[in-house]
Amino acid sequence: QVQLVQSGAEVKKPGASVKVSCKPSAYTFTSYGITWVRQAPGQGLEWMGWISTYNGNTNYAQKFQGRVTMTTDTSTTTAYMELRSLRSDDTAVYYCARAVPGTLVRGGFDPWGQGTLVTVSS
Amino acid sequence: DIQMTQSPSSLFASVGDRVTITCRASQSISSYLNWYQHKPGRAPELLIYAASSLQSGVPSRFTGSGSGTDFTLTISNLQPEDFATYYCQQSYNIPRTFGQGTKVEIK
Repeated sequence: QVQLVQSGAEVKKPGASVKVSCKPSAYTFTSYGITWVRQAPGQGLEWMGWISTYNGNTNYAQKFQGRVTMTTDTSTTTAYMELRSLRSDDTAVYYCARAVPGTLVRGGFDPWGQGTLVTVSS
Repeated sequence: DIQMTQSPSSLFASVGDRVTITCRASQSISSYLNWYQHKPGRAPELLIYAASSLQSGVPSRFTGSGSGTDFTLTISNLQPEDFATYYCQQSYNIPRTFGQGTKVEIK
């Protein structure tokens, strides 16, 4: 069945960068976009942005503009999310999910990766 | 940005109960509304898309309704595996936004 497998947990110091990978399987990689959502401890779900795996176009939440870069590698069918200038409040579980491209979409994010815990601590 | 507001933030219920969660959008989003279930340590799962369409594999005790700004998720005959946090999310505009979540706990 369709799955998204993410890279393992990371511990980073403030100011560093982290790059999380997400590898989907069991569907044509370029037929869907990949979105990234995070959940800080005790908080709800926060949308970070998404990338078209077809042409690499991105849309980032304003909160993360300038600090986040989402990319894909079609040769390895892997998506990446890099977050720079990490702060303690970036400590969260980061999820990737398959997303139908477009603005007006009659569909949700499905399925999701297992999540990657990123801990930012000095 | 479109603000999504859920109520209640948490509720206590018993197995077999009928539970209703509401979600209100700050502007009309037609039926571009999705519902997710999230359990601790697990990935969120899509339950309902387009306000009322049941995602494949999701039990029929989950139903969604509404359009415009007001939406409802109903769980009939609550089962032990349904104790979780539920989120609504709009797919009408970018940025995508989620409600703050509703935690369904055991009474």
